[in-house]
Amino acid sequence: DAGITQSPRYKITETGRQVTLMCHQTWSHSYMFWYRQDLGHGLRLIYYSAAADITDKGEVPDGYVVSRSKTENFPLTLESATRSQTSVYFCASSESPSEQYFGPGTRLTVT
Amino acid sequence: LAKTTQPISMDSYEGQEVNITCSHNNIATNDYITWYQQFPSQGPRFIIQGYKTKVTNEVASLFIPADRKSSTLSLPRVSLSDTAVYYCLVGFTGFQKLVFGTGTRLLVSP
Repeated sequence: DAGITQSPRYKITETGRQVTLMCHQTWSHSYMFWYRQDLGHGLRLIYYSAAADITDKGEVPDGYVVSRSKTENFPLTLESATRSQTSVYFCASSESPSEQYFGPGTRLTVT
Repeated sequence: LAKTTQPISMDSYEGQEVNITCSHNNIATNDYITWYQQFPSQGPRFIIQGYKTKVTNEVASLFIPADRKSSTLSLPRVSLSDTAVYYCLVGFTGFQKLVFGTGTRLLVSP
């Protein structure tokens, strides 16, 4: 089915481990985004990408790495997970920066 | 980055019109204003977008005054299923650095 998917949907990991969250979209949208959502903070932009091989930092990029070798995939890696990175992570894609289509989210717990 | 301010919560009853206002005092010339709706355990869903004056679609209207320092999302005749969090988003179309507000939690009661 067409759309935007995220995997895994739930993840528990330990402090210091590397974790990669996957995002895949089938619309061939140019833009892709990663957000985190925490209670009291709403959605905060981590990284975004305007096209394959073009990425840039958002509001809260520290501790995260992204890549975009293919238009349809935009993985987010936590190089050394910390407890403060426990959150719900949303991926989104769009053809314009404003009208974004969001995935179902990944709930990450770092113990 | 443009910051937005919204009421934390609002209450309404079925069948009423609901207006949610967002302040964005330092909006830039190129910015569009977009509203999203989010249900629990789901990603946000696009509702409406505008640049100035008034925009209307099948689910909502968006009112933007001439100075563009605020905007109002209007939901006509809400139902229980409109209970959700509503986010106002102001975007730099040139730099794609978008800022979500903290959202307004709308509770619709019977």
